Amino acid sequence: QKEVEQNSGPLSVPEGAIASLNCTYSDRGSQSFFWYRQYSGKSPELIMSIYSNGDKEDGRFTAQLNKASQYVSLLIRDSQPSDSATYLCAVNDAGNMLTFGGGTRLMVKP
Amino acid sequence: ETGVTQSPTHLIKTRGQQVTLRCSSQSGHNTVSWYQQALGQGPQFIFQYYREEENGRGNFPPRFSGLQFPNYSSELNVNALELDDSALYLCASSSQKVGTGNSPLHFGNGTRLTVT
Repeated sequence: QKEVEQNSGPLSVPEGAIASLNCTYSDRGSQSFFWYRQYSGKSPELIMSIYSNGDKEDGRFTAQLNKASQYVSLLIRDSQPSDSATYLCAVNDAGNMLTFGGGTRLMVKP
Repeated sequence: ETGVTQSPTHLIKTRGQQVTLRCSSQSGHNTVSWYQQALGQGPQFIFQYYREEENGRGNFPPRFSGLQFPNYSSELNVNALELDDSALYLCASSSQKVGTGNSPLHFGNGTRLTVT
């Protein structure tokens, strides 16, 4: 069974700090990796996608992928209180579905 | 460009009843996927429709069924509702089958179903 694991948190960081969110996955055939942000009571919003090993930067967000270690992470620089949300890691193996982790709750304190 | 829209936004049903949830895909998207998200958990894949045919199914019983129409909108039907069916139901559309050409999913606002 394909699994995606995340620490449920909460991860608490002060405003302006770097938040580091981690995700591991079990299926070595996984090809596409996504980070979604979900505010309480809302639907998930895609914030980053990454397909090859290394880093991908988009504004304050950096996604990191290491396929050998089956590990994907999301860094949020200059964290803001508005970044407080649950972050979902999702993995696709070229099949028809995304497998999601349980999410990490991030709290950014002013 | 209109995004994915779902209706209704909230629904309360009684155990044993049947429910139909609706989804309009984003313009130009021919693939619709449905996910169930229980409170405090990540979304779980129910099934996907591509050009009106079911194209993959997760670990959900047959009382979860669906349809896709020629305009690519979709319905999710759940029969014989159980208390554990209470969840946020998410619809997502894409321009290709998920996993083909790395097509990311963009979700609608979801339908919150409560079964009492």
